Amino acid sequence: NAGVTQTPKFQVLKTGQSMTLQCAQDMNHEYMSWYRQDPGMGLRLIHYSVGAGITDQGEVPNGYNVSRSTTEDFPLRLLSAAPSQTSVYFCASRGLAGNTDTQYFGPGTRLTVL
Amino acid sequence: AQTVTQSQPEMSVQEAETVTLSCTYDTSESDYYLFWYKQPPSRQMILVIRQEAYKQQNATENRFSVNFQKAAKSFSLKISDSQLGDAAMYFCACSNNAGNMLTFGGGTRLMVKP
Repeated sequence: NAGVTQTPKFQVLKTGQSMTLQCAQDMNHEYMSWYRQDPGMGLRLIHYSVGAGITDQGEVPNGYNVSRSTTEDFPLRLLSAAPSQTSVYFCASRGLAGNTDTQYFGPGTRLTVL
Repeated sequence: AQTVTQSQPEMSVQEAETVTLSCTYDTSESDYYLFWYKQPPSRQMILVIRQEAYKQQNATENRFSVNFQKAAKSFSLKISDSQLGDAAMYFCACSNNAGNMLTFGGGTRLMVKP
């Protein structure tokens, strides 16, 4: 299993541009989520999904959209990037068997908005 | 709502010695889960140890153990026989009972001296 994968690893945008951060998992996990990590801080939850077609907001959802059309994929969209969205973005997933409370993280995407 | 506080921005330990990282939390959930994650320079978030709040017994994973004080809402991490590879940022986190909302503390940077 590849686990949780994210693309791209690095991205530079100009203010106002749009882009999609990709996240995929091959563990058949129902739950997926997006976090952002700003310098010197812990991760903060942006959006999450408990299954295909179901999404909900986390702690810092403004400026971000998500959708969940398949179990495997959970893309994060920035419609009009702002410098305040410069951060490292992590995707995570967890399943419903075993330690269902434990989330597994992708390697992160470093985004810079100029 | 949940809050997680790590009061030690940085800690230092001599190789082979023991160090304890502090964490306090607050939650309105009657049942919840607590975690310690390690983040090395690669940025990958690695689960170190987890604790179910309804269990009184402290969790242990090899050289890592926790001191869970539910009444005091304290969840400290003890690392025994510290190794150079333990040097990283350590994040304490609390999850609600449904596992949908994971809240992180601000992190503690651990340095290991040879």
